[in-house]
Amino acid sequence: RKEVEQDPGPFNVPEGATVAFNCTYSNSASQSFFWYRQDCRKEPKLLMSVYSSGNEDGRFTAQLNRASQYISLLIRDSKLSDSATYLCVVNMAGNNDMRFGAGTRLTVKP
Amino acid sequence: ETGVTQSPTHLIKTRGQQVTLRCSSQSGHNTVSWYQQALGQGPQFIFQYYREEENGRGNFPPRFSGLQFPNYSSELNVNALELDDSALYLCASSLAESTRLFGSGTRLTVV
Repeated sequence: RKEVEQDPGPFNVPEGATVAFNCTYSNSASQSFFWYRQDCRKEPKLLMSVYSSGNEDGRFTAQLNRASQYISLLIRDSKLSDSATYLCVVNMAGNNDMRFGAGTRLTVKP
Repeated sequence: ETGVTQSPTHLIKTRGQQVTLRCSSQSGHNTVSWYQQALGQGPQFIFQYYREEENGRGNFPPRFSGLQFPNYSSELNVNALELDDSALYLCASSLAESTRLFGSGTRLTVV
């Protein structure tokens, strides 16, 4: 089983749609969680951290369920500029490596 | 902010050769980590350096080695290149546990 697993995608949605990405992680000792965005042939960039209480940043909402070892990202009112690959990232306390999922590709169409 | 810069941007090497990739960290960042990203995959952690010492390593063989310099810049060295080493190599810098900032990467092709 992979340490971080994501929906394989791709997701193709119209502008204005709501889309949700799911991610599961295998190591229950994991402590920090993030969503990164990676545009084609570019480096990953932090989209948002994920907190146990859930957090929202504009059209983006992230949720964490530690009991189920599950992370989600919800994008409301999708824009063309949201088209990218979304990477789920997990980090363990005391360990310095971040474990990335394979990413889920989103294409928002007019 | 200067950002994280990597060089070269692209590189072609022959199987069996050695390669050195370079990374200049964001000003004020003392931690550098390296990742390998194969096509269609997420980045895989190679190792991390903090104040010139390796303080974390992923599941990569010893022919992947690194250095961090007093100015916190870093090198990734790969010996005995294999075809499967072809990938995008990403460097990320951070200050202690702060968010990692990635460079735009070096695309290595091994032929």
